[in-house]
Amino acid sequence: AQKITQTQPGMFVQEKEAVTLDCTYDTSDQSYGLFWYKQPSSGEMIFLIYQGSYDEQNATEGRYSLNFQKARKSANLVISASQLGDSAMYFCAMSPYRFNQFYFGTGTSLTVIP
Amino acid sequence: DGGITQSPKYLFRKEGQNVTLSCEQNLNHDAMYWYRQDPGQGLRLIYYSQIVNDFQKGDIAEGYSVSREKKESFPLTVTSAQKNPTAFYLCASSQGAEAKNIQYFGAGTRLSVL
Repeated sequence: AQKITQTQPGMFVQEKEAVTLDCTYDTSDQSYGLFWYKQPSSGEMIFLIYQGSYDEQNATEGRYSLNFQKARKSANLVISASQLGDSAMYFCAMSPYRFNQFYFGTGTSLTVIP
Repeated sequence: DGGITQSPKYLFRKEGQNVTLSCEQNLNHDAMYWYRQDPGQGLRLIYYSQIVNDFQKGDIAEGYSVSREKKESFPLTVTSAQKNPTAFYLCASSQGAEAKNIQYFGAGTRLSVL
């Protein structure tokens, strides 16, 4: 069974500061992908960043980076230099390579304070 | 512009009525997915399709039906057997069976019961 846990229902961060959103996962698969999505109040899910389980380096995409600790089964999202437009729900997801199914966490609501 | 189009944005269902949610993609993706999102929850998979004329049940398929007659289209019917259909429905697509299987989402349909 696959399970994704996001323990922070809500987070606040000051504009221009960095913030870390936590994600842990449970899987017996050795090969899998980890994903983060942003969901603004409009509802659309926006892909942010991907990390493969065999990637040795942490993924980065602009202001987003993924702090991947495989042994701890942890895939935290780091947003640097927060902007007001970063206020949204953030979802962590995992997909074993052997099938195309995604497993989502319950999300973290991020509010950026001016 | 390539993307995923869901319609309508808002939909109301009467008791005992079947309703169909539309999902069209022009990304030339092989795989398509339907998710349900309840308030404060993550996404749960209803159905997915990896190729035309083939689809599989997800975790919460009861009360829903789908078809995949064309690569571009994956409509979801919410039947009268679904007793609690009020939710936000998201359609997604991906290239298919590959390691970095990023799913791209439409803007969603919000379904309510009258």
